[in-house]
Amino acid sequence: QVQLQESGPGLVKPSETLSLTCTVSGGSVSSGSYYWSWIRQPPGKGLEWIGNIYYSGSTNHNPSLKSRVTISVDTSKNQFSLKLSSVTAADTAVYYCARVSLGAVIDPWGQGTLVTVSS
Amino acid sequence: SSELTQDPAVSVALGQTVRITCQGDSLRSYYANWYQQKPGQAPVLVIYGKNNRPSGIPDRFSGSSSGNTASLTITGAQAEDEADYYCNSRDSSGNPLLVFGGGTKLTVL
Repeated sequence: QVQLQESGPGLVKPSETLSLTCTVSGGSVSSGSYYWSWIRQPPGKGLEWIGNIYYSGSTNHNPSLKSRVTISVDTSKNQFSLKLSSVTAADTAVYYCARVSLGAVIDPWGQGTLVTVSS
Repeated sequence: SSELTQDPAVSVALGQTVRITCQGDSLRSYYANWYQQKPGQAPVLVIYGKNNRPSGIPDRFSGSSSGNTASLTITGAQAEDEADYYCNSRDSSGNPLLVFGGGTKLTVL
């Protein structure tokens, strides 16, 4: 079965760039049947979709974050990545990577990684 | 992008039936999917599409939809069903953008 695992720094300074990688096992990011997504959840708050990437490299982003978000895919490593620039304390959240199928069905999810923005 | 609206909190007596709703314009075109999230854990898909349950999800969970409103029903709620529940769907723009509801905290009394 497909499993996803987030990795990256747990602490980022304000104004810097947050960088996370999601490693996919048991499946391929090159599958044309799925998008690969980043989702975040600030402490005590709800889920916020960040963006998607298709194996071809085509991306879609939440309009509220679009100018700061870069999502890329590395099919050779079976990974996809997130970069969020100019972070502030408001970007402190648990960041999840996930697979998205037809109908916006998000399954499975990674376990999530907490990223704190603080000096 | 569009928005999905959920009641912040709902309660149900043990063994009774509870309905959690999700409203939004995108639901006129797309089905809602439902996720259960327990404290400190990643969300888990419980209902997708018209009314489909992933393997391992108890059949007391069901989904339905009418107009701009989708519903998740738990028939015979159990103590372990106490959790946050989120709906999501595609954005009504037609692009593969996703939207989430704000979440509903379910308390089982």
